[in-house]
Amino acid sequence: DTGVSQNPRHKITKRGQNVTFRCDPISEHNRLYWYRQTLGQGPEFLTYFQNEAQLEKSRLLSDRFSAERPKGSFSTLEIQRTEQGDSAMYLCASSLSLAGDTDTQYFGPGTRLTVL
Amino acid sequence: GQQLNQSPQSMFIQEGEDVSMNCTSSSIFNTWLWYKQDPGEGPVLLIALYKAGELTSNGRLTAQFGITRKDSFLNISASIPSDVGIYFCAGQPPGGYQKVTFGIGTKLQVIP
Repeated sequence: DTGVSQNPRHKITKRGQNVTFRCDPISEHNRLYWYRQTLGQGPEFLTYFQNEAQLEKSRLLSDRFSAERPKGSFSTLEIQRTEQGDSAMYLCASSLSLAGDTDTQYFGPGTRLTVL
Repeated sequence: GQQLNQSPQSMFIQEGEDVSMNCTSSSIFNTWLWYKQDPGEGPVLLIALYKAGELTSNGRLTAQFGITRKDSFLNISASIPSDVGIYFCAGQPPGGYQKVTFGIGTKLQVIP
């Protein structure tokens, strides 16, 4: 399977705990994105990486959230001191973006986080 | 920031009927994308549109990039039960390819 993969698919945690999610993009895709989706809404942009550089962060990404892409391949999203409002589906997407080209993003299956 | 208005928000149709849904934006986009999402899964790309006026088909699906660059529609012909799901439009602004804005989704239910 050469699509975007995410682990775990589901995570249940208690309020105040830290959680970490992993995303493996499509091989050779240079851009990687994180989105959050709550029930009944479309995905909302959180942050993106071009190779290993984190180039943009949404205001939705509070200081409890941190994302890394250390070698320009897989990425991790960590949420510290989780709150019930963090409960959502966290989606990862990747794309191959060349200079002056469009940027079509392909999504992974998501990680469903439930904070009790 | 950009806002996308997607309509209808939900629809029930009989199997075999055609379906149409659309999105409008408060500002122009360079790219329009249509995704389908099944429960508990990530969005799957259906059609990508890159030029104003472009009309693109993918099997029974047809989508168009509006000439004003502020709207797009998706048509599904001869619906079947597996078309059930939530359809999202999404757009990318000029120079901001990385920032995809999604509509609220159209929930489609097909009655066999």
